[in-house]
Amino acid sequence: QSALTQPPSASGSPGQSVTISCTGSSSDVGAYNSVSWYQQHPGKAPKVMIYEVSKRPSGVPDRFSGSKSGNTASLTVSGLQAEDEADYYCSSFAGNNNYVVFGGGTKLAVL
Amino acid sequence: QVKLQESGPGLVEPSETLSLTCTVSGYSIISRDYYWGWIRQSPGTGLEWIGSIHHSGGTYYNPSLKSRVTMSLDTSKNQFSLKLTSLTAADTAVFYCARGTGSWNFDHWGQGTLVTVSS
Repeated sequence: QSALTQPPSASGSPGQSVTISCTGSSSDVGAYNSVSWYQQHPGKAPKVMIYEVSKRPSGVPDRFSGSKSGNTASLTVSGLQAEDEADYYCSSFAGNNNYVVFGGGTKLAVL
Repeated sequence: QVKLQESGPGLVEPSETLSLTCTVSGYSIISRDYYWGWIRQSPGTGLEWIGSIHHSGGTYYNPSLKSRVTMSLDTSKNQFSLKLTSLTAADTAVFYCARGTGSWNFDHWGQGTLVTVSS
């Protein structure tokens, strides 16, 4: 059960869009629509930003969107703002043993 | 408003057993709709799912930790607990408890508690 693969870093200027990828396998990301994305600011608990691939919880700005193609899921942040600078983690259900796998995280910098 | 709060020792000796409790307020842990989970984060690294427990008591553990993990519910106190045995320095981490949904995401988290394994 390997962790999902994310780029270690991403960046963009205020107002721009940035996309973070999350690559898994046919046993997790590719098999289930249970992909989630979490935002974590330093010293804080993670906060879910996207669930079930593309759904946004109440209160999450519509600048955040999610998608999936095959074994790769993506998080897009449009209209970047300073407060979007944080670590982002993807996760997926992996049904073979009923477990959850996280990505290694991507540090998003707003330049 | 759903709130979760972890409690337990901040320092544990190697080879010992870690016991953590998560107290839930604002929601009953026996609700059919949710699971209750533990996630940890070693210093400077990413998140690792430890396991989840259903209101029925059914448990799901990370295969890499399964031999050392036990989770349980205390419905009278609206709490759930984690036991992790045979600790080593590699288990030093911030431990979070969280509410898990039916689609296996975590929508409410505790603030986290740092556990250091050291003699």
